[in-house]
Amino acid sequence: NAGVTQTPKFQVLKTGQSMTLQCAQDMNHEYMSWYRQDPGMGLRLIHYSVGAGITDQGEVPNGYNVSRSTTEDFPLRLLSAAPSQTSVYFCASSWTSGVQETQYFGPGTRLLVL
Amino acid sequence: AQSVSQHNHHVILSEAASLELGCNYSYGGTVNLFWYVQYPGQHLQLLLKYFSGDPLVKGIKGFEAEFIKSKFSFNLRKPSVQWSDTAEYFCAVNAPGTYKYIFGTGTRLKVLA
Repeated sequence: NAGVTQTPKFQVLKTGQSMTLQCAQDMNHEYMSWYRQDPGMGLRLIHYSVGAGITDQGEVPNGYNVSRSTTEDFPLRLLSAAPSQTSVYFCASSWTSGVQETQYFGPGTRLLVL
Repeated sequence: AQSVSQHNHHVILSEAASLELGCNYSYGGTVNLFWYVQYPGQHLQLLLKYFSGDPLVKGIKGFEAEFIKSKFSFNLRKPSVQWSDTAEYFCAVNAPGTYKYIFGTGTRLKVLA
């Protein structure tokens, strides 16, 4: 199993550009989520999904869109990039059944918005 | 609203010293508790987790944590740190079945050889 994969590893954007961060998992996990990591602020939840076709907002959803058309993929879209979106983005996945919910994280995407 | 506080932002220790990192959470109901570690340049890895039962939880690499419900705390401990423990440590909490995980701001640990 590859686990949770993310592409690209690093991206530079200009203000106003759009892009999609890709996330895929091969563990058949129902739950997937996106976080951003900023110095001194830990990880903050952007959006999450509990299954194909079901998404919901996290703590900091503004400026980001998500969709979940398959169990495996959960892309994060930046509609019009802003310097405040410079961050490291992590995707995570887990089971949703039962109480033994442990998240598995991807390697991250480092985004710089100029 | 749930919140997680990690009061130690930076910790510097010498090898073989004992470690205790504080984690306090704010939530009135049942919670799941986690400690994650992020080594330099790597993604987050689960160190240990508490869902129920014995409040003293043992994880990987000699780490353990104790859940003290009355203090809303889940402190991470290791009796003797190694240089390879240099990393950032995150405490996290979620209410079972809610799918919203709240992370603390992290503690950067540097272990001097």
